[in-house]
This record gives sequence, structure tokens and C-alpha cells, in this order.
Amino acid sequence: NAGVTQTPKFRVLKTGQSMTLLCAQDMNHEYMYWYRQDPGMGLRLIHYSVGEGTTAKGEVPDGYNVSRLKKQNFLLGLESAAPSQTSVYFCASSYTGELYGYTFGSGTRLTVV
Amino acid sequence: EDQVTQSPEALRLQEGESSSLNCSYTVSGLRGLFWYRQDPGKGPEFLFTLYSAGEEKEKERLKATLTKKESFLHITAPKPEDSATYLCAVQAPGGYQKVTFGIGTKLQVIP
Repeated sequence: NAGVTQTPKFRVLKTGQSMTLLCAQDMNHEYMYWYRQDPGMGLRLIHYSVGEGTTAKGEVPDGYNVSRLKKQNFLLGLESAAPSQTSVYFCASSYTGELYGYTFGSGTRLTVV
Repeated sequence: EDQVTQSPEALRLQEGESSSLNCSYTVSGLRGLFWYRQDPGKGPEFLFTLYSAGEEKEKERLKATLTKKESFLHITAPKPEDSATYLCAVQAPGGYQKVTFGIGTKLQVIP
């Protein structure tokens, strides 16, 4: 049982480049989330999805887009990377949205130079 | 604005030396409080959800408690493998987007 799998694990981008972070879960969870974790700050929600074909903005959505074409996959896109997007990105999923612990992936460390 | 403050930022314990981590919160209408464990280079791992003041939950050497203003994560007779960063999060009314995470307490247990 793989849980939540994120790819890639590491990436270095130049300012202005684009990329897509991939998240896949095999637990049949309805809810999926993208968070970023920065030093000295708690995890911050970027976007989330409550089911296949749905997406919604979180706390810090600017500069990111997401898609959930299949229930098991949640993609995070950076159209034009900026140094401020240097961070560790975590994907998470949960069976229900409220009051249910999340299962997190192992993260993608992104550096934008 | 919902706030979560964890203390101390870092804690160093000898193996077997029990202690507590604190999570104080400000949120209107707390729906639930979560504890996670995060190992270096890994994603957070869910430990507990607490729903109401007075509630307690245990898992091995860990016991989480909740009051109206704070939560404690008690670690009894810790072992080196308990070394990790422990994160606290609170959920306010309004759905899954209303989860606020603390910065965490980095625990190091020395043999």
C-alpha cells in the first residue's frame, strides 16, 4: 500500500520556467490537498479538491494551478516560477474533509533560481 | 485570524526523561485539534484528533490532551526513535480549508 506518492522529489527551476508536480494516492480518498512548508512557517494550503473534477483555492493560491482529472491524481502546476516559490511542497489526502487526519506524501523540494 | 503557537521550538531530552509539548491556539469554534509527527525529509504522519476539552488520546509513549485554550502532547519515557518534529493543527468551522498548522516542536531524544 503506497499511500500518497509525489514526483519528483527534488527539482531546480530557473525563474520563469514552468513545471508540474504530480501526486497520486491509492486509498480511494475523495479529498486531496497541496501544501507548502517554509522555514519558520506552518504548512500553508495552496489548493484543494473535494472530488474528481473539482478544485478550490486555499490560503496561498497565487502563481499555482491545479487539476484533478482522475480521483487518484492531483496535479500542481507552476506556470512561471518565481524565487518566492522555493519551498517544500506536500500533497495530502483524506477520506473525508473534516476532522479526519490527512495522509501526506514525502514531499517535493523545489528551488527556483 | 486563527493562530497556533507551539512551544518550545526545540526540546532535547535524555532517553527515559518524560516531558510535554505545548500547543496553544486561538480559534473561534474549534472543530478539532490534530497532532502530527514529521521526520526529517518526510511528510507529516497523523497521530491524533481531539474534538473537545477534556478529551485524551494515547498511542504508545504519547498522550495528547485538550483544554479550551491549549493541547499538550505528553511523552513518557521517550526513546531515540521518538526524535522528530511534532506539529499541531486546528480546524475552525468552515471546512477543510480552515486548518491552521503550527510551526512545530523539534524533539531530540539522546541515548
